Amino acid sequence: AQSVTQLGSHVSVSEGALVLLRCNYSSSVPPYLFWYVQYPNQGLQLLLKYTTGATLVKGINGFEAEFKKSETSFHLTKPSAHMSDAAEYFCAVSVGNQFYFGTGTSLTVIP
Amino acid sequence: DTAVSQTPKYLVTQMGNDKSIKCEQNLGHDTMYWYKQDSKKFLKIMFSYNNKELIINETVPNRFSPKSPDKAHLNLHINSLELGDSAVYFCASSQPSGRPYEQYFGPGTRLTVT
Repeated sequence: AQSVTQLGSHVSVSEGALVLLRCNYSSSVPPYLFWYVQYPNQGLQLLLKYTTGATLVKGINGFEAEFKKSETSFHLTKPSAHMSDAAEYFCAVSVGNQFYFGTGTSLTVIP
Repeated sequence: DTAVSQTPKYLVTQMGNDKSIKCEQNLGHDTMYWYKQDSKKFLKIMFSYNNKELIINETVPNRFSPKSPDKAHLNLHINSLELGDSAVYFCASSQPSGRPYEQYFGPGTRLTVT
């Protein structure tokens, strides 16, 4: 069975500080991995994805994530948080035609 | 040129009513989805549909039914609305299965049942 776990439903960082949002998955086959962002009162927008190849994936708005198979992780990072990064972030796993979302992490950026 | 659009954006209605939410995508995708997002932001897939197969999440009440007039549209009909149906409903679309695809989401419809 496939699943996605996001550790920490709420994360607060200071403006300019490192952002680290954690995602672990379980999958019986090599998965495709995604991070989505949801700004207030909006739909989900793709930040980045891992399919095959390079395990460090760069996305929009300065975010990146690294696929670590040995740790079954796909953590999302950004070196320096901006106020505009405040949003809900979802990790997702795709296996075949099934798509599984994590429960989301709400990021607060403190000025 | 919105990729995935939904109407209406807000829907307020009373218990017992029947309502529909419309979804259209202009991406040429073959598969469309409906999700329900509750007040805690948890996303629950309700249906996935392409021109060959409808997959229903078995936990979804049969008061909910998707209807697809064509490949670009997947509407959601809800009968006998209940208070617990209040949520934000998202439509999404993707390329055919078997590829490393991502889903494209609409802006959501906030349904409030009073």
